Amino acid sequence: GESVGLHLPTLSVQEGDNSIINCAYSNSASDYFIWYKQESGKGPQFIIDIRSNMDKRQGQRVTVLLNKTVKHLSLQIAATQPGDSAVYFCAERGSGGGADGLTFGKGTHLIIQP
Amino acid sequence: ETGVTQTPRHLVMGMTNKKSLKCEQHLGHNAMYWYKQSAKKPLELMFVYNFKEQTENNSVPSRFSPECPNSSHLFLHLHTLQPEDSALYLCASSQGLVTGELFFGEGSRLTVL
Repeated sequence: GESVGLHLPTLSVQEGDNSIINCAYSNSASDYFIWYKQESGKGPQFIIDIRSNMDKRQGQRVTVLLNKTVKHLSLQIAATQPGDSAVYFCAERGSGGGADGLTFGKGTHLIIQP
Repeated sequence: ETGVTQTPRHLVMGMTNKKSLKCEQHLGHNAMYWYKQSAKKPLELMFVYNFKEQTENNSVPSRFSPECPNSSHLFLHLHTLQPEDSALYLCASSQGLVTGELFFGEGSRLTVL
């Protein structure tokens, strides 16, 4: 069946370093992927998305990489700041599905060390 | 501010109580969603409404009853809940069902005693 998982439940990085959060998915038919950030006491917030016809997309300080061969997704955060401390979720959408077809992973808690 | 407002932010209720969660979106979106977020588990889709019509009921127990009077408002009526229903209930909206980006509210933290 479909599953979306993150490799590590917790990731600790030094302030100023780059962070890489990984996600594995199993549905090879997925055509759309999203990363969300959820800070303590808040709802998930959209960070960046990527379609399956791309392998890289960049935003402000964030980059998402998609490797369809091994069904792997990663989120890179450059120069990590204290405000980046949060739980990060990846989500995938199977082809033909809409927003209601999103499957979320469990999340990785990013901890920023001063 | 995400444009999606949920009330109340916190709710404590007994198993025999009846309460409701409210969600309002100010984004002009057509689709609205209820998700359940429990500790150490992925977000679980509960209900989907598109243009006020329910398009998805993800095998949710009948003690959860959604209501969508218009495209901007969504309610989740709760009755005879169980302690395991304690969770963060998130409302989200999207422009339509096809678009992937969901805009979430801050959530309603529910505790069932």
